[in-house]
Amino acid sequence: DGGITQSPKYLFRKEGQNVTLSCEQNLNHDAMYWYRQDPGQGLRLIYYSQIVNDFQKGDIAEGYSVSREKKESFPLTVTSAQKNPTAFYLCASRNRGLGNTEAFFGQGTRLTVV
Amino acid sequence: GENVEQHPSTLSVQEGDSAVIKCTYSDSASNYFPWYKQELGKRPQLIIDIRSNVGEKKDQRIAVTLNKTAKHFSLHITETQPEDSAVYFCAARTGANNLFFGTGTRLTVIP
Repeated sequence: DGGITQSPKYLFRKEGQNVTLSCEQNLNHDAMYWYRQDPGQGLRLIYYSQIVNDFQKGDIAEGYSVSREKKESFPLTVTSAQKNPTAFYLCASRNRGLGNTEAFFGQGTRLTVV
Repeated sequence: GENVEQHPSTLSVQEGDSAVIKCTYSDSASNYFPWYKQELGKRPQLIIDIRSNVGEKKDQRIAVTLNKTAKHFSLHITETQPEDSAVYFCAARTGANNLFFGTGTRLTVIP
């Protein structure tokens, strides 16, 4: 069953701790993305990766880090430097190129800082 | 970069009525405009998309129109049903670049 999977669904973190969110896809997609969703603000791009071993900052990359060591995996680390980390995080993937343009989303991870 | 604005932020309609959500974009080079539906607690899912070489596209009760000159595009839902209640996002992309999303519209269909 192909798709994109995020884990965990809910995550609680103490202030000052780093936490890593998982995103795995078996769609053989080249590009992967991390978005943050806050009420009334839509989806804001944190980081993206077009190919393995390469990634770029999005609009709100401060306080976050990523890696892309494998095509199917794009984990996001929320560091203690992120001032307001409580949010809903969505991972997405798609094929690069002009012909295959649909982005598929994971089910999301809701992070709460306690 | 691209800037996508979406209106209204909330919309309530009676079941059976039509709903229209509007988006504008800033980058005239944008050529792909998808619409995503996100039900409560679930992932966004593509419901319809349009490319810049087309002015209108329909799929059953939903349709999207694009005005490249004015740089705006709209989602039209006819004969609305309670299961249409969700948050809808428009987006725009230039070529193979990233998607830029609007801020979302929460649609409520009142039975």
